Amino acid sequence: AQKVTQAQTEISVVEKEDVTLDCVYETRDTTYYLFWYKQPPSGELVFLIRRNSFDEQNEISGRYSWNFQKSTSSFNFTITASQVVDSAVYFCALRRVTGSSNTGKLIFGQGTTLQVKP
Amino acid sequence: NAGVMQNPRHLVRRRGQEARLRCSPMKGHSHVYWYRQLPEEGLKFMVYLQKENIIDESGMPKERFSAEFPKEGPSILRIQQVVRGDSAAYFCASSPRLAGQEETQYFGPGTRLLVL
Repeated sequence: AQKVTQAQTEISVVEKEDVTLDCVYETRDTTYYLFWYKQPPSGELVFLIRRNSFDEQNEISGRYSWNFQKSTSSFNFTITASQVVDSAVYFCALRRVTGSSNTGKLIFGQGTTLQVKP
Repeated sequence: NAGVMQNPRHLVRRRGQEARLRCSPMKGHSHVYWYRQLPEEGLKFMVYLQKENIIDESGMPKERFSAEFPKEGPSILRIQQVVRGDSAAYFCASSPRLAGQEETQYFGPGTRLLVL
């Protein structure tokens, strides 16, 4: 079975602090995709990153960075020097490789609510 | 290039009424996914459609819920005889094609359904 766990329900930090959001996944597939989405207070879902299971390189995009470790089935997300605008719910998601029985649906974690205080 | 569009953004229905939620995918996208987000929960897959075909409806409740994606026009998620437990945010996502394994699903703004 496929499963995504975001153990941190809520995190509160003060502006300029670094914060890491954890994501642990379960799958028996050898090939899969991992995603992070942001849901700001306005409610829409914003795509942040997609990672192929074969690519374990860490990625950095501005203040955002992602640490993918296949050995621990984790795909953690770090925000450096957090800002108030980073306040949102962040979702980690898993997608199986599409095939005859896999249709590409996303399996989401419960989400982590990040509050960045000024 | 317009993103995924959903309407209405907010919908209020009384118990027993019907709710129709619409989703227009991004231009060039022919695959549509519907997800439901119950209060304080993550998103759960409901149904996956291509034009004129339901491909995977394993997440759809067995009764009262249906979805379509006609050759022309938006995808429709229809909930008949709504109950209070149907109150949720319903998100539509689209992707261009499935053959390319790296396709990303882009989400619309969601429809917030409130059943009184």
